[in-house]
Amino acid sequence: DAKTTQPNSMESNEEEPVHLPCNHSTISGTDYIHWYRQLPSQGPEYVIHGLTSNVNNRMASLAIAEDRKSSTLILHRATLRDAAVYYCILRVLSGNTPLVFGKGTRLSVIA
Amino acid sequence: GAVVSQHPSWVICKSGTSVKIECRSLDFQATTMFWYRQFPKQSLMLMATSNEGSKATYEQGVEKDKFLINHASLTLSTLTVTSAHPEDSSFYICSAPGGAHNNSPLHFGNGTRLTVT
Repeated sequence: DAKTTQPNSMESNEEEPVHLPCNHSTISGTDYIHWYRQLPSQGPEYVIHGLTSNVNNRMASLAIAEDRKSSTLILHRATLRDAAVYYCILRVLSGNTPLVFGKGTRLSVIA
Repeated sequence: GAVVSQHPSWVICKSGTSVKIECRSLDFQATTMFWYRQFPKQSLMLMATSNEGSKATYEQGVEKDKFLINHASLTLSTLTVTSAHPEDSSFYICSAPGGAHNNSPLHFGNGTRLTVT
């Protein structure tokens, strides 16, 4: 799997938007960009994924650069419950392969 | 939505004993499940891929005789840590694909915290 690079940690104020960046300069044309998050003492949970176009769901938005070498996960209004480690992961289109986790970004939300 | 149930959520055992962890897909079938291990302050590390009706595939460095995986049905995979030692203390997490290809998200259990004394 192609490598992703994320900041180790970020901090946000409650009810402010948060932009979590991810660089994936070696992404291939068949790689999907997936985001997962892990709350303390829990298993990871799916957040969002996309291929080329920006994506929105009830949890977040995913903005994908035109050259696909970077992406940004956007939480529109951070809450204390959004404090977690966020992982940006590339998955090839075909097959059913496991996720390979990097170190992710630890997001702290300040009340 | 799809749910993966993992049991127990935590377990404490004595050194030398074995511990079984169950991972169930509650409302979908999973021919494949993945087992991860996570040490404190670290990321998840893939241990093995569990395949229904066949042998599991282990990642390099993971002892298959120590971490026994059984995937006897389309909704249940088990991981047995045999002859556990304190260094096996970790957070074990299973996951199952929500669909037949990588465009589907993986669903994760809530993990099992194993403490070996």
